[in-house]
This record gives sequence, structure tokens and C-alpha cells, in this order.
Amino acid sequence: GEDVEQSLFLSVREGDSSVINCTYTDSSSTYLYWYKQEPGAGLQLLTYIFSNMDMKQDQRLTVLLNKKDKHLSLRIADTQTGDSAIYFCAERSGLTGGGNKLTFGTGTQLKVEL
Amino acid sequence: NAGVTQTPKFRVLKTGQSMTLLCAQDMNHEYMYWYRQDPGMGLRLIHYSVGEGTTAKGEVPDGYNVSRLKKQNFLLGLESAAPSQTSVYFCASSWQLGSGSTMDEQYFGPGTRLTVT
Repeated sequence: GEDVEQSLFLSVREGDSSVINCTYTDSSSTYLYWYKQEPGAGLQLLTYIFSNMDMKQDQRLTVLLNKKDKHLSLRIADTQTGDSAIYFCAERSGLTGGGNKLTFGTGTQLKVEL
Repeated sequence: NAGVTQTPKFRVLKTGQSMTLLCAQDMNHEYMYWYRQDPGMGLRLIHYSVGEGTTAKGEVPDGYNVSRLKKQNFLLGLESAAPSQTSVYFCASSWQLGSGSTMDEQYFGPGTRLTVT
């Protein structure tokens, strides 16, 4: 079945770049996503990448996809204290009952220190 | 436009009690989902629905039942709560994840924190 893995914690200084890594198993995934969860809140979509792309940039966010190694990364440039949150990667795969589902990683807790 | 709302926000149950969690969305989405979030395990899909009147099992359906009598509502029921069901429950909805040509964002509610003692 599908499996998505992430490291649990990352600590960076304000102004530095953060890189959060993720590995996934389903080579047929068409879309891969990054969600952000702030304390006490639900998940919010940050960005996504289609499987035929290697890179996607969106302001301070850069997503890199290595399909051969099934590796996805999220780089946050000029990390700010407001970026402190849990970041989930997710892959899209088929459901036996029809349609598709998202399989989430365990989440990476990003802590930004002054 | 409230998006996805969940009630209640918090609940404490004793083992064996029952309860229903309500999810409502006002975006006219076809698909709705119930997830549970446990420390170090990410989100796991409990049940989902591809439209009004339909439900299907996800990864961890045991001990839960769901109903989708109205398109905008998706109910999650615990008939006899167990301590293993202590978790944070999230509801989500999307327009449709059935098409390969669109990315179809899932919109999440704020969560229900359930403790079973």
C-alpha cells in the first residue's frame, strides 16, 4: 500500500532556509501536496506539484520532486516565526471504491528560533 | 462562506458511550472525508463519501459508522467508544478527486478533540 515518510522535527533560525523532506511509495501518484497545520487548527493546502514536473516555485516556497527516488522536498526561503507549524506531505492514489484519496506523511514539526 | 465546520470542538466520553460528530460544508462539494490524527502517525482515513447517500470505508473504519443523508453534512458515529479512539478527528471536503486532470484541494475543518476515558 501507500506509505509516506517524513522526519518528525526541524529547527531553524529566523531568516535561514528550511528544507523539509518526504519519501513516498506510490509511483503512480499524479499529484503530491504540502499541507500546513498551525496549532489547534486544521490542515491548509500550501502548494502542490504535478508528477510530470521536477520543480515548482511559489514565492518563498520551492517544491522539488525526484520521481526516480520518490523523494519530495519543500524549501521555505527566509523562514519566519509565522512559519512555525507542522508540515505534511501527501500523495494522491486511487480508492477501491472509486475516486482518489490522499495519504499523508507523519508530519514535520518546524520550529523557527529567533 | 464558513467552509468546513465541525461540532463539537472538544468532547470527553467514558468507555462504552456513544456520540456523533457532525461535519458541515457550504461549498457544494461532492466528496467528504473523516480522518483521525494521532501523534507520530499523520492523518489516517476512516470513511469517505463520494456523494449524497454514499459512504465507503477508508484505512481504519473499525468502530466507526458514517452517514451522508444530505450533501452538505457528513456524520461520524462512535457506537461504543474505546480509549483507542482518543484522537483528533478532522473532516475534509473536496469538489472531486476523481479526475486526473485537476489537483482538487481538500478543505479541512478545525478538528474535534475526543478523549475516551
